[in-house]
Amino acid sequence: AQKITQTQPGMFVQEKEAVTLDCTYDTSDQSYGLFWYKQPSSGEMIFLIYQGSYDEQNATEGRYSLNFQKARKSANLVISASQLGDSAMYFCAMREEGGGGSNYKLTFGKGTLLTVNP
Amino acid sequence: DTAVSQTPKYLVTQMGNDKSIKCEQNLGHDTMYWYKQDSKKFLKIMFSYNNKELIINETVPNRFSPKSPDKAHLNLHINSLELGDSAVYFCASSPQWISYEQYFGPGTRLTVT
Repeated sequence: AQKITQTQPGMFVQEKEAVTLDCTYDTSDQSYGLFWYKQPSSGEMIFLIYQGSYDEQNATEGRYSLNFQKARKSANLVISASQLGDSAMYFCAMREEGGGGSNYKLTFGKGTLLTVNP
Repeated sequence: DTAVSQTPKYLVTQMGNDKSIKCEQNLGHDTMYWYKQDSKKFLKIMFSYNNKELIINETVPNRFSPKSPDKAHLNLHINSLELGDSAVYFCASSPQWISYEQYFGPGTRLTVT
């Protein structure tokens, strides 16, 4: 079974509008972390935001916020006030933290390609 | 100053050859990783080293052999290259194995013909 599911292969948003990228996850661990990464067309992977499973508040980093709904096992990324430079591939990832170092690995979803229109 | 660097950026080679990709980080991090991103953009971890010791070894053909001569370097050697090895290979590092932030290198695009 897939551990990370991103159901939107592609999304379009108008510049200055907000957009939500969906991510659901599957784990039986009580302790885990959820991540979002951005991959522009240039290819590098850029860390955006992290949410720990025990964090009660939703994580925020500038224009990025993570809408964490633990009971629904969802960790959607919200980008406010979209900019043209936000056009990129976005990956949701999870790290199960229930064991030792051998478990501390990122499992990625298949990504969502976001296009911001002027 | 590049935090995580990889060489080469592009690598084109023929089936059956042996090749290496080098990775260096100047962040003083303890933990380094190799990831493979396939043609469909799916990203999967291959290996992780912490203080030069292997801590993650995913189901990867043993033609792939990582080597960490010191904490700042993690190289990837691939023997008998196959067409299916064509992908982008990313090196990454993090301060410690429990740290959540990982810093990725620019990637090496390997094309096997």
